Amino acid sequence: NAGVTQTPKFQVLKTGQSMTLQCAQDMNHEYMSWYRQDPGMGLRLIHYSVGAGITDQGEVPNGYNVSRSTTEDFPLRLLSAAPSQTSVYFCASFRRGTEAFFGQGTRLTVV
Amino acid sequence: GDSVTQMEGPVTLSEEAFLTINCTYTATGYPSLFWYVQYPGEGLQLLLKATKADDKGSNKGFEATYRKETTSFHLEKGSVQVSDSAVYFCALSGEGFKTIFGAGTRLFVKA
Repeated sequence: NAGVTQTPKFQVLKTGQSMTLQCAQDMNHEYMSWYRQDPGMGLRLIHYSVGAGITDQGEVPNGYNVSRSTTEDFPLRLLSAAPSQTSVYFCASFRRGTEAFFGQGTRLTVV
Repeated sequence: GDSVTQMEGPVTLSEEAFLTINCTYTATGYPSLFWYVQYPGEGLQLLLKATKADDKGSNKGFEATYRKETTSFHLEKGSVQVSDSAVYFCALSGEGFKTIFGAGTRLFVKA
């Protein structure tokens, strides 16, 4: 049982480049979320989805896009990378009111 | 909106010491409450949970009791080990579609 799979694990981007962080889950969870983790800031919600075709913004959505065409996949797109987006990114999936299952994280550095 | 406040760290203890990490929350309705643990270089994983008032969650010697009257969910362990060194996050899942996390508390346990 794979759970939540995130790729890549590490990435270095130049300022202005774009990229997509992939997230897939095989638990048929309706809810999926993207968080970023910065030192001393805990987890901050970027975007979330309550089902295929439905997404909404979290606390820190600027500079990121998401889409949810299937239940399984929830990619996060960085449109034009900035050094302020250097962070560790986590994808999570869950059923409403139950615990979240997290991927292993993507460590992104923007230079 | 919903929020979670947990004690700031880092917390440094000697092996076999008693651990308490405080967590209080603000939420409408009756949220589910969780403690997650993050070991170095890994994603978050569920440590324990409680879904209604006066429930006690427990796992690996850790315990937390859902106290609605004080809106608290403090994490305790009677005797910590070096292997418990990690970051601990308190979280809630309420009537909305989001899981809200506290800022995290880093625990160091010395041999």
